[in-house]
Amino acid sequence: EAQVTQNPRYLITVTGKKLTVTCSQNMNHEYMSWYRQDPGLGLRQIYYSMNVEVTDKGDVPEGYKVSRKEKRNFPLILESPSPNQTSLYFCASSQGLAGNYNEQFFGPGTRLTVL
Amino acid sequence: KNQVEQSPQSLIILEGKNCTLQCNYTVSPFSNLRWYKQDTGRGPVSLTIMTFSENTKSNGRYTATLDADTKQSSLHITASQLSDSASYICVVTVLMFSGGYNKLIFGAGTRLAVHP
Repeated sequence: EAQVTQNPRYLITVTGKKLTVTCSQNMNHEYMSWYRQDPGLGLRQIYYSMNVEVTDKGDVPEGYKVSRKEKRNFPLILESPSPNQTSLYFCASSQGLAGNYNEQFFGPGTRLTVL
Repeated sequence: KNQVEQSPQSLIILEGKNCTLQCNYTVSPFSNLRWYKQDTGRGPVSLTIMTFSENTKSNGRYTATLDADTKQSSLHITASQLSDSASYICVVTVLMFSGGYNKLIFGAGTRLAVHP
């Protein structure tokens, strides 16, 4: 089954404790992206990657890191999480650039709480 | 400023009734507009995508319309079912001529509840 998977689905952590949220897709998509979703706001892009070893900042990259060493994986790293990073996070992938009429497939989401 | 505004914020309807959700945008230059359905606790799933030359697009009981002149779109749901209870998100793509990357602007969504 074609899908985007994220782990963990739920995570409660404390301020400053490094964490990684994994994202994997099995559709051989070139383009992958991370978003955060907060109440009352639309999804906001954190980082995106157009291919292996090619990543760039989205609208809200502060406090986050990413890497794209393999085509299928795009982990999101929070080196020193803070309470304002408490949010619902989505990973997404598409065959080409998401804005260019290519359907974007979203993962199930990771709900992160930073105490 | 590129913005996408959706209305209403939330809506309650009875099963079997029709409803229409609105999306107004101030995005320029415009590339395309998408509607997504997001079930509680799940990721968004694409319903329709339209370019500026398309006025309407259907996906089963979902019909999206686009008026590029007034920068408005609507999503009409016919004969609603309990499974239509979800958030519906309007997404507009800004055409970026440099760098080859088109930017997506997400609306905050309309939360629809269908009651029996």
